[in-house]
Amino acid sequence: EAQVTQNPRYLITVTGKKLTVTCSQNMNHEYMSWYRQDPGLGLRQIYYSMNVEVTDKGDVPEGYKVSRKEKRNFPLILESPSPNQTSLYFCASSYYGEQYFGPGTRLTVT
Amino acid sequence: KQEVTQIPAALSVPEGENLVLNCSFTDSAIYNLQWFRQDPGKGLTSLLLIQSSQREQTSGRLNASLDKSSGRSTLYIAASQPGDSATYLCAVVNTNAGKSTFGDGTTLTVKP
Repeated sequence: EAQVTQNPRYLITVTGKKLTVTCSQNMNHEYMSWYRQDPGLGLRQIYYSMNVEVTDKGDVPEGYKVSRKEKRNFPLILESPSPNQTSLYFCASSYYGEQYFGPGTRLTVT
Repeated sequence: KQEVTQIPAALSVPEGENLVLNCSFTDSAIYNLQWFRQDPGKGLTSLLLIQSSQREQTSGRLNASLDKSSGRSTLYIAASQPGDSATYLCAVVNTNAGKSTFGDGTTLTVKP
């Protein structure tokens, strides 16, 4: 089944403890992207990647890192999470511009 | 910077009505526009994709149009059903096919 998977789906952590949210797609898509969704602020793009080893900032990249070493994987790294990064995170991959979304990761930073 | 606005923010209609959701964007240099549906606490489901060279797309009871010159897209839902109740989001991908901007969504309630 063609899909975008994210892990973990739920995570509660403490301020400053480094974490990684994984994203994987099995559709051989070149484009992948990370978003966060917050009440009242909508969905905002964090980072995107047009292909392996090619990444660029979205609208809210501060406090996040990404890497794209393989086409199928696009992990989101929070080196030192803070409470304002508590949010619902979505990963997406795209074929000719049509985006397919993962199920989301709900992150709480205390 | 691209800005995407969706009007209305919320809409409540009786079952069977035809309805129109609106999406406007400030920068017409877009690669495509995509409409999504999101149920509470769930992920995003793609409904329709309109490439920048297209004027409309149809899928079942849904029809989406795109007018780049005026910076507008509409999603038309025919014969609405209670199962259509959800938040509808539009997203614009800019010309370099990288940056993507979402509207805040229209929350639709269809009453039986």
